[in-house]
Amino acid sequence: LAKTTQPISMDSYEGQEVNITCSHNNIATNDYITWYQQFPSQGPRFIIQGYKTKVTNEVASLFIPADRKSSTLSLPRVSLSDTAVYYCLVGEFSILTGGGNKLTFGTGTQLKVEL
Amino acid sequence: DSGVTQTPKHLITATGQRVTLRCSPRSGDLSVYWYQQSLDQGLQFLIQYYNGEERAKGNILERFSAQQFPDLHSELNLSSLELGDSALYFCASSVGIPQTPEKLFFGSGTQLSVL
Repeated sequence: LAKTTQPISMDSYEGQEVNITCSHNNIATNDYITWYQQFPSQGPRFIIQGYKTKVTNEVASLFIPADRKSSTLSLPRVSLSDTAVYYCLVGEFSILTGGGNKLTFGTGTQLKVEL
Repeated sequence: DSGVTQTPKHLITATGQRVTLRCSPRSGDLSVYWYQQSLDQGLQFLIQYYNGEERAKGNILERFSAQQFPDLHSELNLSSLELGDSALYFCASSVGIPQTPEKLFFGSGTQLSVL
């Protein structure tokens, strides 16, 4: 599985756009990228997922360049409630139904949003 | 609410004891993942089951074991507990469709304290 590298922490202010970049230099053709958000003492929560180019949903956008060696999670107009740890995860498409997936989380990025 | 239920929420026990953590996946999900999260280790993948079968194994200690039952609930058994086993244990579930990115839904975790 591709190893991921993210900044340990980031600070922002309410209303700003936040971009968190994840490096995954050895991503394979069969790998996809997923981002999760985790609040203290809670389980991680799915944010967005993609394979290439750009994906957008109601809470975030995910930008993946052509070489797929990195990805950027973009959070528009953050608020205090976006203060959390954000994890980038690279997972492999399994050819098996329910095939073995060692979905390994990295260290994550602690985002702190202030007024 | 993710739809994944973990019990108990908190567990306090002594060194050398054995405990069982229980997880009920979302309705329709066949895959169950177990993770351990401690302050110094982050989210560590332990083991994955699909429809009753073990499919992937991470850094799970020999003192730990798990299983998934016919009704798809899963149990994580931790024995000969040590102080270092104190952590938040998460269960996550997913559908497990081949060639489809996995989207994990996490429970709220079991906080284990070994005294």
